[in-house]
Amino acid sequence: DIQMTQSPSSLSASVGDRVTITCRASQGIRNDLGWYQQKPGKAPKRLIYAASSLQSGVPSRFSGSGSGTEFTLTISSLQPEDFATYYCLQHNSYPPRGTFGQGTKVEIK
Amino acid sequence: EVQLVESGGGLVQPGRSLRLSCAASGFTFDDYAMHWVRQAPGKGLEWVSGISWNSGSIGYADSVKGRFTISRDNAKNSLYLQMNSLRAEDTALYYCAKDDSSGQPFQHWGQGTLVTVSS
Repeated sequence: DIQMTQSPSSLSASVGDRVTITCRASQGIRNDLGWYQQKPGKAPKRLIYAASSLQSGVPSRFSGSGSGTEFTLTISSLQPEDFATYYCLQHNSYPPRGTFGQGTKVEIK
Repeated sequence: EVQLVESGGGLVQPGRSLRLSCAASGFTFDDYAMHWVRQAPGKGLEWVSGISWNSGSIGYADSVKGRFTISRDNAKNSLYLQMNSLRAEDTALYYCAKDDSSGQPFQHWGQGTLVTVSS
C-alpha cells in the first residue's frame, strides 16, 4: 500500500505569509494527488486536483506542484479565511482507492 | 446544484450492524464513481471505500475490508455502506463524496452522518 507522509503537522503563520505544505508518497504516484481544506465542523473542500490544477472558484493564491513522490501546496499570501486544516490525498481509480496525509493545521501566529 | 445527503448514522453496540445511505441529486448519478470517507472525532480523514459508476470496480480500506460493503442503486440515485461487526474504532463522521467528470476524486461532499459504536 502507498503511504503518504504530510509535513508539517501544524504551523503558525501570520496574515500575508507564504505557507508551504509537503506530502511525500512511499512510491511514485504520477500526479494522482489532490489537496483539501477543512474548517471546523465543515466538510472538506477540494482546492487542487491532479497535483497542480486549481479547482474552479478557489483563489489563485493557492497552488500545487510536484509529481512522482513529492508534492507541495503553497499559499502565496495567507488570508484570515485560510486558517484551517489541509490534507493531501493520493488516489487510484481501478480499483478505487485513496490515502490521505495526516493533515496540517494552519494556525494564527 | 450537486447535493449529497447522508443518513443512517446513530448509536450502535459493538458487534452490531448499521447501513448508511447517501441520497444524490443535481447530477447524473450513474456517470460518477462514489466514495465513503470517515473522520473520527478530533482526527484526520480516512478513505473507507469507493465504487465505480457501474459497480464493476470496488475498493476498501484495509481497516474495513471483510466487514463493510459498499453498493449503489443507480435507479434510486443512492449510495450505501453496509457496516457489520462494528468496533469502537469505527466511531466517526461518515461522508459520501463524488468524483468529478475526469475521474478526479472528491469534488463534492455531503455533510456527513455520525456513527457511534459504544456499549
